[in-house]
Order: sequence, then structure tokens, then C-alpha cells
Amino acid sequence: DTGVSQDPRHKITKRGQNVTFRCDPISEHNRLYWYRQTLGQGPEFLTYFQNEAQLEKSRLLSDRFSAERPKGSFSTLEIQRTEQGDSAMYLCASSILQGRSTYGYTFGSGTRLTVV
Amino acid sequence: AQSVSQHNHHVILSEAASLELGCNYSYGGTVNLFWYVQYPGQHLQLLLKYFSGDPLVKGIKGFEAEFIKSKFSFNLRKPSVQWSDTAEYFCAVNAGGTSYGKLTFGQGTILTVHP
Repeated sequence: DTGVSQDPRHKITKRGQNVTFRCDPISEHNRLYWYRQTLGQGPEFLTYFQNEAQLEKSRLLSDRFSAERPKGSFSTLEIQRTEQGDSAMYLCASSILQGRSTYGYTFGSGTRLTVV
Repeated sequence: AQSVSQHNHHVILSEAASLELGCNYSYGGTVNLFWYVQYPGQHLQLLLKYFSGDPLVKGIKGFEAEFIKSKFSFNLRKPSVQWSDTAEYFCAVNAGGTSYGKLTFGQGTILTVHP
């Protein structure tokens, strides 16, 4: 499968616990994005990497959230001290920058987080 | 900041009916526009996109969209829907010239097609 992979598909955690999600982008894609989607809403941008550099973070990304992309390959999104409001689908997407244009914007299937 | 508004939350049609889903965006500059579809249990898939040129864009599965710059709109159309088109549809915008391709999505429209 040469698409964007996310792991796990589902995560149920107790409030206050830490969780970490992983995203493996399409191998040649140098851009990686995290979005969050709640029921009845479209995806909301969280953060973006170009190679290993995190270039933008949304205000939605509180200090309990941290994302990394070591070596510019896979990425992890960690949520510390989870709250019930963090329950959502977390989506990863990747794309490639060629010149000034973005190509091949592809989404993964997402990780559904439920905080109980 | 850019925003995207989709007019209908839920549309119900019978097979062979024509479809038009509305999308308006607010951003004064150049934009790139997208329609994504999410079938039940599946990931977001690109239906079509507009970057420049002909404002009438054709996508996969018989879908098309028209960019009307003066109305800040990018409505999705299909002349004859099928049961398999049942899904959620999202309009998205990327501010043109933004170097990193961040997308702003609308809230989505659920389409239910009855056989």
C-alpha cells in the first residue's frame, strides 16, 4: 500500500492519560499535515511539517499537543493529559512541493480517539 | 483568515436526480479550490480541484464544479446521481501562493441517494 498510513485506527483512553499517534506519509512526499475532525464538522488544520521542520501550528494545538517528524519521514502526534474534548478523528495528510506548487495531497484513514 | 461555507448539511435525492452542492469561501486573494468525498468508513478522497484556467472543472465519477470568482463560489454538480454517491462531501480552499498547502474545509454536506 503506497498511501498514507495511520496507526492506530482506534484509541480509547481514560481522561488524563497520554496518547501518541503515528503517521507514515507517502515516501516521496516532503510535506505532512495533521488535521482534527469532530462529528458534523470538516477537518480543521492542526500543524504542518516540511521535511523535519514544523512550520506552522494552529491555535487549536494547545500546549498539551506536540508533534514531531524526525528525519522528515514518519510523524507522531502526542496528546498529554487527555480531556473529553479531545475526542475526535485525527487525520494525517501528505503532499509534495514541486517548484511553487503542491501535488498529490493524500489523506490517511485517520485515528479515532475516544476519551472516557 | 479564509473560511468556507457549505449551504446544505444534508441532501436527500432519488437515483437519477441532478445534484448541486453549494460552496462559498471568503478570501480576497487567489485561491485553489477542492472538493473531497468521504464514503462511509473510508478516508477523504479528492473529487476535483481548481488551480487556474477554465473555471469549469471536471472530476472523477462524473462530478464537475464551476468556479465563479465574482460570487466566491465553487459549487459541485452531477447531472444524474447514483446510490453509490451516498457519502459526505467537503469543499476546501487553499490560499493561492501559500507555500505549504494548508486546507480550510467547510462543514460538509451529507448526501443520501435512495435507489
